[in-house]
Amino acid sequence: DAGVIQSPRHEVTEMGQEVTLRCKPISGHNSLFWYRQTMMRGLELLIYFNNNVPIDDSGMPEDRFSAKMPNASFSTLKIQPSEPRDSAVYFCASSSPGRDSTDTQYFGPGTRLTVL
Amino acid sequence: GNSVTQMEGPVTLSEEAFLTINCTYTATGYPSLFWYVQYPGEGLQLLLKATKADDKGSNKGFEATYRKETTSFHLEKGSVQVSDSAVYFCALTRNTGGFKTIFGAGTRLFVKA
Repeated sequence: DAGVIQSPRHEVTEMGQEVTLRCKPISGHNSLFWYRQTMMRGLELLIYFNNNVPIDDSGMPEDRFSAKMPNASFSTLKIQPSEPRDSAVYFCASSSPGRDSTDTQYFGPGTRLTVL
Repeated sequence: GNSVTQMEGPVTLSEEAFLTINCTYTATGYPSLFWYVQYPGEGLQLLLKATKADDKGSNKGFEATYRKETTSFHLEKGSVQVSDSAVYFCALTRNTGGFKTIFGAGTRLFVKA
């Protein structure tokens, strides 16, 4: 089974540019999570979806961040415009609470974003 | 609200030493408890889990017991290896209308040969 797939693995961009991160969850999983990890703030939940519907976006830092899940097999996290303080590793994770009542999350390898 | 507190790192041990990483939680009801591990350059992966009081989760020589009376889920391993060097996250999940996992801050472990 393929795990959670994220692209790109590394992204370097300049301040003010638009950045789009992509995620393909594990087939059959109906919950999807976006996290941001930095040395200073640790692991932060940005937003999560259940059955493609955003359930909690209280962790999204500001209006520059947006996330979509147009179907069960694809999600994007967009930053527009990007700023140097957005530099971090962004993880996508998926889970299947219906099948696994303990709700184990499966993480992708992450996208390392550097904003110059 | 729900929260997880784990011991600050880094923890530095010699190979074959005994490991304990403390974790306590605050939650209403009966959460599921987890330990995740993150190796350098990778995403988090499940190490072990427990779903109810007195359950013991175990994997790869690591163990943790769900203690409701002390609201704790401490991670232990009898003899660590260099390959165990990683960051360890304690976490809980409750179904509060959605399955949101609360993670601790993470504890970095260094094991010296």
